[in-house]
Formats: sequence, C-alpha cells, structure tokens
Amino acid sequence: DAGVIQSPRHEVTEMGQEVTLRCKPISGHDYLFWYRQTMMRGLELLIYFNNNVPIDDSGMPEDRFSAKMPNASFSTLKIQPSEPRDSAVYFCASSLGAGRAGEQFFGPGTRLTVL
Amino acid sequence: KQEVTQIPAALSVPEGENLVLNCSFTDSAIYNLQWFRQDPGKGLTSLLLIQSSQREQTSGRLNASLDKSSGRSTLYIAASQPGDSATYLCAVTGTASKLTFGTGTRLQVTL
Repeated sequence: DAGVIQSPRHEVTEMGQEVTLRCKPISGHDYLFWYRQTMMRGLELLIYFNNNVPIDDSGMPEDRFSAKMPNASFSTLKIQPSEPRDSAVYFCASSLGAGRAGEQFFGPGTRLTVL
Repeated sequence: KQEVTQIPAALSVPEGENLVLNCSFTDSAIYNLQWFRQDPGKGLTSLLLIQSSQREQTSGRLNASLDKSSGRSTLYIAASQPGDSATYLCAVTGTASKLTFGTGTRLQVTL
C-alpha cells in the first residue's frame, strides 16, 4: 500500500485566498483525521471522520475552516479566506478502527505558507 | 483535559549509548499509547503502539513500556545510532478516539 497520500506537499498563497488540501487515506481504513502542527502549539487534532461522517470537529479553529469526506478514499480541508496565522504543516492520518484498535498512520503533510 | 508531557525536550548522546525517553499523561483513562518518530520536514512514522492492557511492546532496538495507573510511558532505545536522530513524540488515545500528543523529545546521536 502507498500509505496516506497528501497533496500538495507545499502551498504558498496570499492572505484572503482559498486553500484546499487533499488526502487519500490507506485503503480499507475507516477513520480519517486532520491535524495541524505549529512550533507554538505542537500537533493539534482539527477534525476526524468515521465512515465518511464527521464525528468531532471541535478542534477546527474557525468557520473559515471546513472539511469534507465525499467517499472513503478522499477528503479535503479547505480554508477560506486564508490568513497568515494559518501557516502550518497540515497532516492527514487514517486508521482501521479507533480507540483500542486504532493505530494511526500519517501522511507526509502539506506545508502551508500564507503571505 | 488530557495533557501529555515529554522529558527531556532535547537530548544528545554519543553513538552506541542506550537511552530512555519519558512521557507522562494526566488522565489514565486511555485506550492506547503510541510512539512516533518525526524527521525534520517529514511526517510522523508510527514506531510502537501499546494497548492500555499491555505493559510493554518491543520492535527491534526499541522497547516501550506503559504504566497506565501512574500515567507514564518510556521509550528505550538500545545501542543508539546516528540514524536514530529525530524528534520522538508520544500520543495517547482517550475517549472519543482522539490522539493527544506530547511536546516531543528532539534526539541527536553523535558519532
């Protein structure tokens, strides 16, 4: 298996622009997680899905952030409009099962820079 | 709210030494604990997963222990190598299947 795939790997955009990050989880995994990593706050969970349904979005910082999972093999994280403080590395992870069973596997991340 | 702390924040050791990284968490109601490795500019690589009912897990030169009642885990690395240089993160899965990450230990193994 190719592992969790994320695109783009790097994104540079200007403040106010819309940004869309993409993720393909490991085939067969039923949980998908979006994380953000910054120097100041470390790794934070933004939202996670189970069987394509959002379960907990309490980590989404603002209404400017939205996430979708239209099918089992694809998810997007959208920021509209983007701001400089959104600059971070965004990771997608997937797992088979959760809680007790759920070893999470991470993608390579998308490094977002908002100018 | 679960809080995960890792000590030390940074560590430098000469090649060949055995070393221990520490992780502590405030809420013992966890499902499992996972140790990750992160190389600069890269994603996270899962190293070991310990279920809450287990005491330890081993993979090659790595051994992770878990004492859930005291809220502690250790990652033991035997015979360290320069290739082990990376940041090591521990994370616990609590209720609602959420992973809470520690602050990480940056390890440098020198020749």
